[in-house]
Amino acid sequence: GEDVEQSLFLSVREGDSSVINCTYTDSSSTYLYWYKQEPGAGLQLLTYIFSNMDMKQDQRLTVLLNKKDKHLSLRIADTQTGDSAIYFCAEIITGGGNKLTFGTGTQLKVEL
Amino acid sequence: DTGVSQDPRHKITKRGQNVTFRCDPISEHNRLYWYRQTLGQGPEFLTYFQNEAQLEKSRLLSDRFSAERPKGSFSTLEIQRTEQGDSAMYLCASSLPPIGGGAPQETQYFGPGTRLLVL
Repeated sequence: GEDVEQSLFLSVREGDSSVINCTYTDSSSTYLYWYKQEPGAGLQLLTYIFSNMDMKQDQRLTVLLNKKDKHLSLRIADTQTGDSAIYFCAEIITGGGNKLTFGTGTQLKVEL
Repeated sequence: DTGVSQDPRHKITKRGQNVTFRCDPISEHNRLYWYRQTLGQGPEFLTYFQNEAQLEKSRLLSDRFSAERPKGSFSTLEIQRTEQGDSAMYLCASSLPPIGGGAPQETQYFGPGTRLLVL
């Protein structure tokens, strides 16, 4: 089945690293994505990882994928106040059509 | 082209009224998707088009909902006889078909959404 879970809330201090976690249940995932949503706005694509990769780094963002445990994480280095938003992980499943299945979102709050 | 656009951004309506939303995808994106997002939740898939063909519909898309993409460019989503439970953010996304290298298959780019409130 398709089920993507995230913790609801994370608070960090400016300059620290943030780690947002996601677990999924369907091992047929092909691509896994991270999107960012600011209040009242649509979704901004941050990064993605193909399911045969373990890690991907993109500037301040590092994505780790543990396929055995079906665990995905997003690390934001040197977190800034502008990073405060809701972060969603999402998957596309092989043979599951073209829909994205999203987690419930993690609200990141960056404090001074 | 600056991205996916949606109109209106906000809509307030009374229960029982019909509403229609429009989505303009990124130029040359032949795939277009509709999602619904309720408060505190992630977006849920409603339907998607490849060109003008509607290829998949979610069970969430009741018979009061209809989506069209007549010329394979912009799309409309109509909700008839709105109910309070229809209050949500309606998001549109577009993508290219699978291409080799670079971006992954079907990376979806989202518009700003239309927020619907049914009183």
